[in-house]
Amino acid sequence: DSGVTQTPKHLITATGQRVTLRCSPRSGDLSVYWYQQSLDQGLQFLIQYYNGEERAKGNILERFSAQQFPDLHSELNLSSLELGDSALYFCASSTMGGGYQETQYFGPGTRLLVL
Amino acid sequence: QKEVEQDPGPLSVPEGAIVSLNCTYSNSAFQYFMWYRQYSRKGPELLMYTYSSGNKEDGRFTAQVDKSSKYISLFIRDSQPSDSATYLCAMSVGTNAGKSTFGDGTTLTVKP
Repeated sequence: DSGVTQTPKHLITATGQRVTLRCSPRSGDLSVYWYQQSLDQGLQFLIQYYNGEERAKGNILERFSAQQFPDLHSELNLSSLELGDSALYFCASSTMGGGYQETQYFGPGTRLLVL
Repeated sequence: QKEVEQDPGPLSVPEGAIVSLNCTYSNSAFQYFMWYRQYSRKGPELLMYTYSSGNKEDGRFTAQVDKSSKYISLFIRDSQPSDSATYLCAMSVGTNAGKSTFGDGTTLTVKP
């Protein structure tokens, strides 16, 4: 158990809908990262927040947004969902800003299915 | 073409075998190289990281980076059934490991 929690574990929704995925980092970790893992795209970095501020951005679509709250939990909002958004969404956390030598601890993921 | 290509596998070996997992990349700006292990239905976990070219050893695992050939490898000695997982290589330009580019993964099965 990495100490990172994600809810919900599974989500089934329809095209055009909006969903919110939630992540609680390990106690004391200031950085939260969001990743998407799909069969055709592999694991892709979406966005990182550090202590409430956006720190780095990856291949995140405009339909997706995220935020980190004062208690350091984070939410990933996915809107106008398309079939291709079906994937595993992972959250990870690390102690500080995310240097390469800093270990990221991954949560168990949220499996999203868009029908 | 993807920036990071990983031997697709799957790979099946007997217990005790030496395993070699490999990735090639096209972006010469990559400086930081990582290997993750992902068990079924779990998130990835960082196994090893290296900076620039060279070797790094940690127990049964050795990571090798050859920047001149744009090629990285992970060797597992004395493989165990508990090593059965998907292995992902990842690399980044800057020091922020979060902003990494990942390979698609190689699934390894070690048979007792």
